Amino acid sequence: DIRMTQSPASLSASLGETVNIECLASEDIYSDLAWYQQKPGKSPQLLIYNANSLQNGVPSRFSGSGSGTQYSLKINSLQSEDVATYFCQQYNNYPPYTFGAGTKLELK
Amino acid sequence: EVKLVESGGGLVQPGRSLKLSCAASGFSFNDYWMGWVRQAPGKGLEWIGEINQDSSTINYTPSLKDKFTISRDNAQNTLYLQMSKLGSEDTAIYYCARAHRYNSYVMDAWGQGASVTVSS
Repeated sequence: DIRMTQSPASLSASLGETVNIECLASEDIYSDLAWYQQKPGKSPQLLIYNANSLQNGVPSRFSGSGSGTQYSLKINSLQSEDVATYFCQQYNNYPPYTFGAGTKLELK
Repeated sequence: EVKLVESGGGLVQPGRSLKLSCAASGFSFNDYWMGWVRQAPGKGLEWIGEINQDSSTINYTPSLKDKFTISRDNAQNTLYLQMSKLGSEDTAIYYCARAHRYNSYVMDAWGQGASVTVSS
């Protein structure tokens, strides 16, 4: 199975700040990567797929980038509603699809 | 509005079986791949498996293949997860999810989840 390593495990940021979350795959996943947001007590929501395609309805302050084994999720101008845990998911080599362990984002 | 509503969760004894249902509405159910994902308390997401539109292709995470069975009834717009030989490690929130219309490997709609607790 492909291992997905997310970093940091948690971070604290201020409103209006730019945040970066990283995801490292154990092998090349050829941009077959998605990002999900899970707010406390809620189900996950798709943000980004194909490494950099924004899902319909997701604010443009979210963006994804990367290639090969290294990917990142960027949140510009952090808002209070962005407090959540973020997960990456690879779908290049499956089954199974595999997720990162998550990055918990809190407000400073 | 796309809605996925899981049911059938609860407390179950170790070694027993349980069947979850997921009622879909607000979209053409038989046009989409569907899947199940679970999340143990305080943990990350674990993909369980997926099923295609006509049930001709069903994929599972290898470690769960012998315990879990995914099925669907397109006439009833319902997805199912049959779980057997349950153990404490299966305690989790179980999410039903719809695959993206143009990228069936990602999940663009999720239910609220069904809680399953395996304990004596």
